[in-house]
Amino acid sequence: DTGVSQDPRHKITKRGQNVTFRCDPISEHNRLYWYRQTLGQGPEFLTYFQNEAQLEKSRLLSDRFSAERPKGSFSTLEIQRTEQGDSAMYLCASSPGDSEAYEQYFGPGTRLTVT
Amino acid sequence: AQKITQTQPGMFVQEKEAVTLDCTYDTSDPSYGLFWYKQPSSGEMIFLIYQGSYDQQNATEGRYSLNFQKARKSANLVISASQLGDSAMYFCAMRAPTQGGSEKLVFGKGMKLTVNP
Repeated sequence: DTGVSQDPRHKITKRGQNVTFRCDPISEHNRLYWYRQTLGQGPEFLTYFQNEAQLEKSRLLSDRFSAERPKGSFSTLEIQRTEQGDSAMYLCASSPGDSEAYEQYFGPGTRLTVT
Repeated sequence: AQKITQTQPGMFVQEKEAVTLDCTYDTSDPSYGLFWYKQPSSGEMIFLIYQGSYDQQNATEGRYSLNFQKARKSANLVISASQLGDSAMYFCAMRAPTQGGSEKLVFGKGMKLTVNP
């Protein structure tokens, strides 16, 4: 399977704990995106990487959130001191660098529950 | 700013019938693109169809077609010959520029389609 993969698929954590999610994009896709989706809503953009450079961060991404993409391959999203409001589905997407290829390919998501 | 509006919370359709899912959008950019994604209960967003603002013809992909009416700012998804597996959430989205020079997707709230046997 050469699609976008995410790990873990589900995470339950207690408030105040740190969590880290991983995303493996489609190989050769140099653009990588993170989105957050809360219940009953569409996904909302969090951040964007072009290769290893983080070029865009939404104001939704508070100081407790950090994302990395070392070597321009997989990406991690870390949430420190989790809060109940962080409970959501975290989606990763990737797309080719071709300026005419606008489609973003999504992974299965990581569902976070903060208790 | 870009905005996507999906006002239908849910729809029911009989298997093998056609169904239209509504989407209206707002943008001041002359160049834009519109997407439809399907999200089954498993959670993965599945790309269905894309329409560019300068495309002369409405996009089609198998049983999916996009009824693009630029003057009305609408981009409705038409699913022909519905199948039970089409039951899912459907999201309309628009590509929007970011301050960093990239593009992001702006999604609507989605609507739930249920196909009855």
